Amino acid sequence: EAQVTQNPRYLITVTGKKLTVTCSQNMNHEYMSWYRQDPGLGLRQIYYSMNVEVTDKGDVPEGYKVSRKEKRNFPLILESPSPNQTSLYFCASSLSRTGVEQYFGPGTRLTVT
Amino acid sequence: GENVEQHPSTLSVQEGDSAVIKCTYSDSASNYFPWYKQELGKRPQLIIDIRSNVGEKKDQRIAVTLNKTAKHFSLHITETQPEDSAVYFCAAIPADQAGTALIFGKGTTLSVSS
Repeated sequence: EAQVTQNPRYLITVTGKKLTVTCSQNMNHEYMSWYRQDPGLGLRQIYYSMNVEVTDKGDVPEGYKVSRKEKRNFPLILESPSPNQTSLYFCASSLSRTGVEQYFGPGTRLTVT
Repeated sequence: GENVEQHPSTLSVQEGDSAVIKCTYSDSASNYFPWYKQELGKRPQLIIDIRSNVGEKKDQRIAVTLNKTAKHFSLHITETQPEDSAVYFCAAIPADQAGTALIFGKGTTLSVSS
């Protein structure tokens, strides 16, 4: 089954404790992206990647890191999480490098206390 | 950079009525405009998209129109049903320029009452 998966789906952590949210797609998509969703602010892009070893900042990259060592995986790393990073995070992928027709993962609910 | 404004933020209609959601964009280079539907607790799902070489696209009860000159595009849902209740997001991107970010509007919460 073609899909985008994320792990974990729910995470509660404390300020400053490094964490990684994994994202994987099995569709051989070129483009992958991370978004955060906050009430009243909609979906905001954090980082995206058009290809292996190629990543670019989106709208709100501060406090986040990503890597694209393999085509199928695009982990999101929070080196020192803060409470303002409490949010719902979505990973997405697209067959096209331009990011059209993006398909979303199930989401990760992150709470930083 | 691109800025996408979406209106209204909430919309309530009776079952069977039509619903219209409007978005404006700022970057004239944007040429791909998708619409996503997000049901409560679910992921956003692509429901329809339009490119700037066409003015209208239809898929059953859903249609999207684009006015490049005015830089606005709209989602039209006819014969609304309770299952259409969700948050709808518009977005814009210059699809022929690899290396740009997809920018979303803030969303419209559509409620369809029976």
